[in-house]
Amino acid sequence: KAGVTQTPRYLIKTRGQQVTLSCSPISGHRSVSWYQQTPGQGLQFLFEYFSETQRNKGNFPGRFSGRQFSNSRSEMNVSTLELGDSALYLCASSLGVRLEQYFGPGTRLTVT
Amino acid sequence: SQQGEEDPQALSIQEGENATMNCSYKTSINNLQWYRQNSGRGLVHLILIRSNEREKHSGRLRVTLDTSKKSSSLLITASRAADTASYFCATESGGTSYGKLTFGQGTILTVHP
Repeated sequence: KAGVTQTPRYLIKTRGQQVTLSCSPISGHRSVSWYQQTPGQGLQFLFEYFSETQRNKGNFPGRFSGRQFSNSRSEMNVSTLELGDSALYLCASSLGVRLEQYFGPGTRLTVT
Repeated sequence: SQQGEEDPQALSIQEGENATMNCSYKTSINNLQWYRQNSGRGLVHLILIRSNEREKHSGRLRVTLDTSKKSSSLLITASRAADTASYFCATESGGTSYGKLTFGQGTILTVHP
């Protein structure tokens, strides 16, 4: 099976802009989680989607949002970008709860 | 916020030696997982151990879990240069914490040829 794919891999944006990142899970996986990784805060959970429903959300401002489509592909959006949003954004898919998560290669976002 | 801490923060060993990394966490868990990350890339799942398990093996990996001490350890035996990476423990709680892994800060392992 193909692994989790994320597009784009690299992105440079300016403060105040918005960005949309995409994630395609492993075929058959219906749960998609998103994480932000920064040198200062480490890996932090953003949100999780299952069957197009957000089931869990981390402690991030409302500028961070996401959605999941009927084919389980997921997108996350960050509006009004800030310098501190520069990070590696990782998505992971899973067959279900309390199971292994399989991560994509990440999207590295740089905000200037 | 981070669930806990990993120890050591960095570990440097020679090829063929064993590497042991420790992880502590704060709240009750459903399972604990270990992941590897190479140079800021995606995470690779290594092993999952459930709260009712004490030890698990996978190839050269051995993981122990002590829920009374809220701690886990990862042992990599006969290490190779290719094992050089950052290693993270991550916990998953029960209840409604769907899809949420809480990660430690990681251990940077360097294996010298």
